Amino acid sequence: GAGVSQTPSNKVTEKGKYVELRCDPISGHTALYWYRQSLGQGPEFLIYFQGTGAADDSGLPNDRFFAVRPEGSVSTLKIQRTERGDSAVYLCASSPPGAGTNEQYFGPGTRLTVT
Amino acid sequence: AQSVTQLGSHVSVSEGALVLLRCNYSSSVPPYLFWYVQYPNQGLQLLLKYTTGATLVKGINGFEAEFKKSETSFHLTKPSAHMSDAAEYFCAVRTTSGTYKYIFGTGTRLKVLA
Repeated sequence: GAGVSQTPSNKVTEKGKYVELRCDPISGHTALYWYRQSLGQGPEFLIYFQGTGAADDSGLPNDRFFAVRPEGSVSTLKIQRTERGDSAVYLCASSPPGAGTNEQYFGPGTRLTVT
Repeated sequence: AQSVTQLGSHVSVSEGALVLLRCNYSSSVPPYLFWYVQYPNQGLQLLLKYTTGATLVKGINGFEAEFKKSETSFHLTKPSAHMSDAAEYFCAVRTTSGTYKYIFGTGTRLKVLA
């Protein structure tokens, strides 16, 4: 079946602009995660959704970052007033329902470059 | 707070040699532990996981890892390296209560020499 998809695969934007990154999880998966991966680093947790609500947004670096998942499926990560330091690969992952869900399925990522 | 430490950002082994990638974790409660692999220009793929039960877990592509609570370690091994194993490997930890938040290590890039 279809895996996690992310669009766009690459995004180049100018400093100060607004960007939206989209994640389509695997159908039926209730948990959705966003991560940021900088060069030479591991994925850094940003936010986790269980259904429509953000269960944990403690990884969002500041109030320029915001994410939504209005219908419990597709999620959008929104970054306002982008800065060069926001350049990274943004990863999305989803997990199936069930107590103690513990397997994440990752998308290919969106490479964001802020010039 | 949880954390994960991967010793060695780069590891080189000869084809056919033992692969050993090290991972130590810090957690106030027994965690779930994972190893992921990332091939060039591809997404992360789960290699194996420890949740409960047997402390030696086997994963895909001949990899295995052993959870050692006393050493707070979850090292990844493979008896004989193949060229196709060249990739970046990430260890991750997740709490078993509260929010299901994952913390990843900084990764180890494995190079396999012919």
